[in-house]
Amino acid sequence: GQSLEQPSEVTAVEGAIVQINCTYQTSGFYGLSWYQQHDGGAPTFLSYNGLDGLEETGRFSSFLSRSDSYGYLLLQELQMKDSASYFCAAPQAGTALIFGKGTTLSVSS
Amino acid sequence: KAGVTQTPRYLIKTRGQQVTLSCSPISGHRSVSWYQQTPGQGLQFLFEYFSETQRNKGNFPGRFSGRQFSNSRSEMNVSTLELGDSALYLCASSQRTGQQGAPGANVLTFGAGSRLTVL
Repeated sequence: GQSLEQPSEVTAVEGAIVQINCTYQTSGFYGLSWYQQHDGGAPTFLSYNGLDGLEETGRFSSFLSRSDSYGYLLLQELQMKDSASYFCAAPQAGTALIFGKGTTLSVSS
Repeated sequence: KAGVTQTPRYLIKTRGQQVTLSCSPISGHRSVSWYQQTPGQGLQFLFEYFSETQRNKGNFPGRFSGRQFSNSRSEMNVSTLELGDSALYLCASSQRTGQQGAPGANVLTFGAGSRLTVL
C-alpha cells in the first residue's frame, strides 16, 4: 500500500517561516504534490516535485528527497491568509493520486 | 474556462436511502477522480475514471459506485446510506492520461464539493 505522513497541526506568527514535512511509502514513486485548502473551500494545487531538489513559487517552496522518501513545503513571510490545511499527495501504483491527512496551519498576528 | 462543477452542493438524506452526485470536469479533461473528505481523515480516494473506464478504485465498500459518460461528465452513487457516509464528496478533473510523468499528471482541479448529511 501507500501512505503519506504529515503533522496534523502547525502554528506560526505573521512574517515567520514554516516548514511542513511529508514522509511517504509508495510502491513506485512519481513525484510529490502539495495542495492548499481553506476552510469551506476546495483543495487547490500549489506545487509538484518530480525530481529531487527545491521548487520555488513566490513565497512557497517545495523540496523532495527521493532517497529519504521525504519532502516538505516551505512557506515564507507568512500572512494571515495562509491559514489553511496543506496536503501532500503522490500517485499510488497505477494512476490515482493519494493524499496525506493534511496539516492545519494557523497563522496569528 | 469554466472550472469543475459539482451538483448538488448540499443534500440531506436519511439512512437507507441512496444518493447520486454529479461532476462536470473542465473542458478537455478526460480524467475524473472522486474523494471523500471527513474531519481527521483527509481526502480518501474513491475512484478514478478515464474515457468512461474506471481506472482505479479506493478501499470503499461496493455501496459506492460511479460512472463516466462519453462527454467526461461523471456521477457517483452511494446506496443504502449510513450515518458514516456523511462527508464532503469532492470531484477533481485533470489532464492525466495514465503517463505518470506527463505534464499535468499530478495537477488536479477540484470542484467545490457536495456536502452530504445522513440523518
